[in-house]
Amino acid sequence: GAGVSQSPSNKVTEKGKDVELRCDPISGHTALYWYRQSLGQGLEFLIYFQGNSAPDKSGLPSDRFSAERTGGSVSTLTIQRTQQEDSAVYLCASSSGLAGGAGELFFGEGSRLTVL
Amino acid sequence: GQQVMQIPQYQHVQEGEDFTTYCNSSTTLSNIQWYKQRPGGHPVFLIQLVKSGEVKKQKRLTFQFGEAKKNSSLHITATQTTDVGTYFCAGRIGSARQLTFGSGTQLTVLP
Repeated sequence: GAGVSQSPSNKVTEKGKDVELRCDPISGHTALYWYRQSLGQGLEFLIYFQGNSAPDKSGLPSDRFSAERTGGSVSTLTIQRTQQEDSAVYLCASSSGLAGGAGELFFGEGSRLTVL
Repeated sequence: GQQVMQIPQYQHVQEGEDFTTYCNSSTTLSNIQWYKQRPGGHPVFLIQLVKSGEVKKQKRLTFQFGEAKKNSSLHITATQTTDVGTYFCAGRIGSARQLTFGSGTQLTVLP
């Protein structure tokens, strides 16, 4: 497709289980971001990938969170041993990465995670 | 922690009234972007400002970037029900590559 694709759109899991969220960015976009949005709240930065550079992991809230980006395209966000406070919408965005990363972000529809 | 503050958090206006949301950073921003998120939707890019004191207009929307590049505003003239949603500012702090989003202003337009 032409836009950022995320899956699953909804995920309900039990506390303590691991989850994987997938993001397929716009073709050719070198920059990829993960944000988390709790109900009615703003966007919390998690991690940023730019080309072959080391990712900026400064926003990951704990070592239970990790992300990888294979082949400079698809990214997977993994949350281990999920907790109830992990419940949120996880948004992925990509951008062209040009002009020093100053371009607009194109967001996916998000993955809504509910931890019971 | 949150370094880009946005006020107000909520705003209710009658259709036809004006609306303004303000964004403030404790540190200089290399640029600022504005996004709109409709209820149940994802953020959609509106505009980017880069220069100190820059002003840009999109129909009824006016965006400003402060002289010190630490604050910005979005003003909507004569709101319409289609303006309903949450407006976020987002800035790159210093040389950071990632965007820091403000907490957003949720706009409700009463018909």
